[in-house]
Amino acid sequence: SQTIHQWPATLVQPVGSPLSLECTVEGTSNPNLYWYRQAAGRGLQLLFYSVGIGQISSEVPQNLSASRPQDRQFILSSKKLLLSDSGFYLCAWSPGGANVLTFGAGSRLTVL
Amino acid sequence: AQSVAQPEDQVNVAEGNPLTVKCTYSVSGNPYLFWYVQYPNRGLQFLLKYITGDNLVKGSYGFEAEFNKSQTSFHLKKPSALVSDSALYFCAVRPLDTGRRALTFGSGTRLQVQP
Repeated sequence: SQTIHQWPATLVQPVGSPLSLECTVEGTSNPNLYWYRQAAGRGLQLLFYSVGIGQISSEVPQNLSASRPQDRQFILSSKKLLLSDSGFYLCAWSPGGANVLTFGAGSRLTVL
Repeated sequence: AQSVAQPEDQVNVAEGNPLTVKCTYSVSGNPYLFWYVQYPNRGLQFLLKYITGDNLVKGSYGFEAEFNKSQTSFHLKKPSALVSDSALYFCAVRPLDTGRRALTFGSGTRLQVQP
């Protein structure tokens, strides 16, 4: 069966520091991968999605970037964090051509 | 561009009573529609989806949703609410006719079921 792992679960970082959140999927190949951000426990904002290695689509220009160095690995990064980057970051995957997204457990980022 | 509206920030219902969580959508062409549930500090869990066919879709934990094309709605329902149904519920949409695979989510509705 397929599983999705996301880490770290919780992160507290000072303003201006770098960020790296990692997501990996097991039990499938060539998944579509997504990063969403949930601010204040409410709506989800799509940040990035990827349909293959090295293929990243950015939905909202901001202080973040994403990379997909391997088929089942999706990394969310920032060179310098802002206070506004605080939130709950969710990684998700879906099979190519299908539509149900399966989410990871999330990473809570607090920028101080 | 597609969008989803969940007009109620919170819905309160007594245990055993029927519940409805509202969702309307805007999308070019035909939609894929989804409901997800989120428990505190957790990722989202898939409940049900509408792709095509019967307008009434049945999903996990006794939930169902009715697709209404003329009203562009996809309301989530359950005949008898449980206290354990208390959570944050999200409606999501994806256009059927484009290559865009990502889902657009609504702002969420918090369901509170009182014992």
